[in-house]
Parts: sequence; C-alpha cells; structure tokens
Amino acid sequence: GAVVSQHPSRVICKSGTSVKIECRSLDFQATTMFWYRQFPKQSLMLMATSNEGSKATYEQGVEKDKFLINHASLTLSTLTVTSAHPEDSSFYICSASKTSVQETQYFGPGTRLLVL
Amino acid sequence: GQQLNQSPQSMFIQEGEDVSMNCTSSSIFNTWLWYKQEPGEGPVLLIALYKAGELTSNGRLTAQFGITRKDSFLNISASIPSDVGIYFCAGPSGTYKYIFGTGTRLKVLA
Repeated sequence: GAVVSQHPSRVICKSGTSVKIECRSLDFQATTMFWYRQFPKQSLMLMATSNEGSKATYEQGVEKDKFLINHASLTLSTLTVTSAHPEDSSFYICSASKTSVQETQYFGPGTRLLVL
Repeated sequence: GQQLNQSPQSMFIQEGEDVSMNCTSSSIFNTWLWYKQEPGEGPVLLIALYKAGELTSNGRLTAQFGITRKDSFLNISASIPSDVGIYFCAGPSGTYKYIFGTGTRLKVLA
C-alpha cells in the first residue's frame, strides 16, 4: 500500500499564531514529499517540494519564511504556517513519492486551516 | 507556463449513464495521472498512464494517453452515486513535480 496521513485534520487558530501540520508516510519511505494548497472550488497548487535531509524548494510566489517546511526523516514532513492571517485559511494537502525517481504521488487526507 | 485544462468543468448525469472527460496540455507529457477528490479529502489516484496510446482500466474507469501526448481522457461507465467528486488530471512539471488540471466536478443524480 501507500498510505499518507496528516495531522491535524482541522485547525482553527487566531491571527498571528503559528500552526504546524504533519505529514507522514505510514507504510513506505518517502524521499520526496510535496505540499499543496487548495482554495475552495479550485485546483491544487504546489507550494513546495520537500526532500529528506535538505532544504525545501519553494514555488514562485510562496514565502519560505512564512511556510516553514522540515523533512526530518523519510516518513515525516512538517509545514509550519507562521504568523497566520485570515488569508492563509485554506486546505493544505501533502503528498509523498516512494523514490527519488519521478513517480506517482500519494496524497494525505488534507488539513483544513481556518484563521480567525 | 504549463497549463492543464479539463473539460467539462462540471457535469450532472443520471445514475447509470457513462461519463467522458478530457484533459489537454500546452506541452507534451510522458506521464498522465488521474485522481478523484471527494469533499474534504485528499485526492486518490485512480489511474496512471506512461505511454502514448496506452489504454488502462480500473474497474468501471478507463483512461487513455493521447497519441499526441498533449491530452488524456477518462471514461466512467455505468455511473453510480458514489462516483460524485472532482476528477483531476496531472502531468509532470519539472523534476519530481506534477501540475494539476482545473478539475471536472461530477454529480450523479439517483
């Protein structure tokens, strides 16, 4: 199988606080993990690519100091939304690939973030 | 940059009908993926295509990799209510990354 989990599934926070979202590959080692953001009724937009043991690669327009990504092990990547604002409210989804060779991605169930 | 356009944007069909949707790219792809996303969930991989002209089935779903390598098609036969969701195509966009299509929203009326 290829199961990816995310935690938490939902989070509500006050403006100005930081929120950490975890993404885990449960039954495989993920050399590469990806973080997406999805606004209502829109497609998935890639935010960054996370490789174990190295710095994440951010897509154009995504602030790396605001969206901190850490890929500390082959089964865990974290996304921290720092100093969250209402416009950061969105559905954040991670995915993982089994190897460093381009391959199909397996998605987590997503995290709904609401910033008040 | 690359774009993936899906058609139709949305469709309402009667249970039992067949469904066809497509995805077109502004550039050539060597892989096509089709995902289904249900409300509040992450996308689930349905079918992966790796070769131009390839036709692959997964139960009632059949997907084809277009000969031009700039398009792909997904068909669902004998639709049922649980087919409801958003169907996304995806193709490679640089090293290890994928770009997702605009999505086709499917609603099935019982």
